[in-house]
Amino acid sequence: ETGVTQSPTHLIKTRGQQVTLRCSSQSGHNTVSWYQQALGQGPQFIFQYYREEENGRGNFPPRFSGLQFPNYSSELNVNALELDDSALYLCASSFGQVGGYTFGSGTRLTVV
Amino acid sequence: AQKITQTQPGMFVQEKEAVTLDCTYDTSDPSYGLFWYKQPSSGEMIFLIYQGSYDQQNATEGRYSLNFQKARKSANLVISASQLGDSAMYFCAMREGIQGAQKLVFGQGTRLTINP
Repeated sequence: ETGVTQSPTHLIKTRGQQVTLRCSSQSGHNTVSWYQQALGQGPQFIFQYYREEENGRGNFPPRFSGLQFPNYSSELNVNALELDDSALYLCASSFGQVGGYTFGSGTRLTVV
Repeated sequence: AQKITQTQPGMFVQEKEAVTLDCTYDTSDPSYGLFWYKQPSSGEMIFLIYQGSYDQQNATEGRYSLNFQKARKSANLVISASQLGDSAMYFCAMREGIQGAQKLVFGQGTRLTINP
């Protein structure tokens, strides 16, 4: 079975731009969660998607949005990028909302 | 509010020694789960071990064991016979509840360095 795949692995954007990050969930998993990990910190929960709907959100502004597709893959979109958005963005998939989590290797976003 | 505390920013251990990484948590939810993850420099979060709040016995997975002391709200990770490849960041995380959206709340992490 394949694990969680995230793309791109690295990305550099300019302040004010928009970015889309992608995540393919592990085979058999139907839930995707996104986390932001700033340098030297633990990951922070952004939101979770279950059955193509957002069903939980952390303390992030509306310019952070997402989608989940019928094949359970997911996108994270960030509008109006700010310098503080520079971080490692991790995607985690699970089966249902109480299953174990499988993380991807993340996307390192740098905003300049 | 949920909270995970890891009080050791860095740990240095000799190869083949055992090491204990500390984690305390705070929750009012009677049902929760505790996780330990390893994060090498590549960035991927690698699952190590899980302990449910209702589990009667401490979890073990190979060289990893979890010293779960519920009354003290403590969930320390013990790595036996450490190896050079164990050098990485280690995160303790907690999941609360059984209904609705689940999220992991992470601690600040401990950087473990294994010396040859």
